[in-house]
Order: sequence, then C-alpha cells, then structure tokens
Amino acid sequence: AQSVTQLGSHVSVSEGALVLLRCNYSSSVPPYLFWYVQYPNQGLQLLLKYTSAATLVKGINGFEAEFKKSETSFHLTKPSAHMSDAAEYFCAVTLTGGGNKLTFGTGTQLKVEL
Amino acid sequence: ETGVTQSPTHLIKTRGQQVTLRCSSQSGHNTVSWYQQALGQGPQFIFQYYREEENGRGNFPPRFSGLQFPNYSSELNVNALELDDSALYLCASSSGTGWENTIYFGEGSWLTVV
Repeated sequence: AQSVTQLGSHVSVSEGALVLLRCNYSSSVPPYLFWYVQYPNQGLQLLLKYTSAATLVKGINGFEAEFKKSETSFHLTKPSAHMSDAAEYFCAVTLTGGGNKLTFGTGTQLKVEL
Repeated sequence: ETGVTQSPTHLIKTRGQQVTLRCSSQSGHNTVSWYQQALGQGPQFIFQYYREEENGRGNFPPRFSGLQFPNYSSELNVNALELDDSALYLCASSSGTGWENTIYFGEGSWLTVV
C-alpha cells in the first residue's frame, strides 16, 4: 500500500527565509503526489500536483516541489516565506489505478516569524 | 471558495447516538469523497460516491455509511457513535474519479462526541 511520511510536524521560519517542507513516499509503482494547504478552520486547498509530466512542479502562491525518484521524495519549497504562508501543509499520494482517493501524511504546521 | 458546502459546521453528540452530515458538491461534479481528520492528523479516506454508487471505501467500520443523491449531493451517516469519532469530517467533490480530476474540499463539519 502507498503511504507518505512528512518529516517534522512543526517547522518555523523567519519571514523572507526559505521554506522547505519534507515529504517521502512509499510506493512500489509510480505515484501521483500532491501538496495541500489547510488554513485555520478551513478545508484543504490544492497547492500543486506531480503527474509524471515534469519532475519540477510549480504551484500556487510561489510554491514548488521536485519529484526525486532516487530519494522517493517530493519536498515542498518556497524561496521567501510570507506571514500569510502560516498554515498546515499536507502531502498526499495516489497510485495509477487508484483514482483520486488520496492517502495523506500527518501534516506539517508552518509558522512564519517576523 | 470551492463551491463545496457542508452542514452542519459544528455539532455535539452523545456516545451511542447517530449523526448525519451533509454535503453539496460543486456544480457539475458527479463524485463526492468523504474524509475524517482527527485532531493533529491528516485526513483519512472514508469512502467515495460516483453517480450514486459507492466507488471505494477506506478502513472504516460498517457503521459509517453514505448516500449520494441524483443531484450528486451526499450524506455521511455514522451510527453508534464512539468517542474516537470526534473529528473534522471533510467532503470533497470532483468531476470524475481519475487522479487527474482535482478534488475540491469543503470547510468541514466538526463533530464532538461526549
């Protein structure tokens, strides 16, 4: 069965600093990978998704993620953090043939400090 | 705004009772998925409905059941509530069941079981 592991349940960065949120996947077949963001008291919003077309995926709000098969990773980055980026971020996976039924990681809470 | 609306937003139930949560999908979407998000955890897939038929189920007991109506709105029913059922229940809709069909989440229904 597929799964994703998010390293670091809490990450704190200074405003303007690089954001790096880690996600590793476990899958015996090529996966489709997603990053979602959840703001307080809101549902989840899709940031970006990897669909095998390109290993570097650009998403909304300046975020991007790179699929690295050799490392089984799909880390999320943003060059310069903004206060409005403070939220919880979830990595998710589905498999070929698995449709859009997603398996989520446990999430990383991002805090942005002045 | 994703166009996915859920009701009620908050409710409190007593152990052993039954609850019904409702979801209106985004216009044009024929697929509804339900997820359970316990505090501090990522969402877990409960089940998915496609054109009024169940299209996959996660690792949840039979007391979790659902319906999808001809207008593609959906209900999640939970019988014999347990304390561990306390969670945020998220509904998501999409225009199909394939991985390429982005799922759009509602803001969720907070269920507290006492």
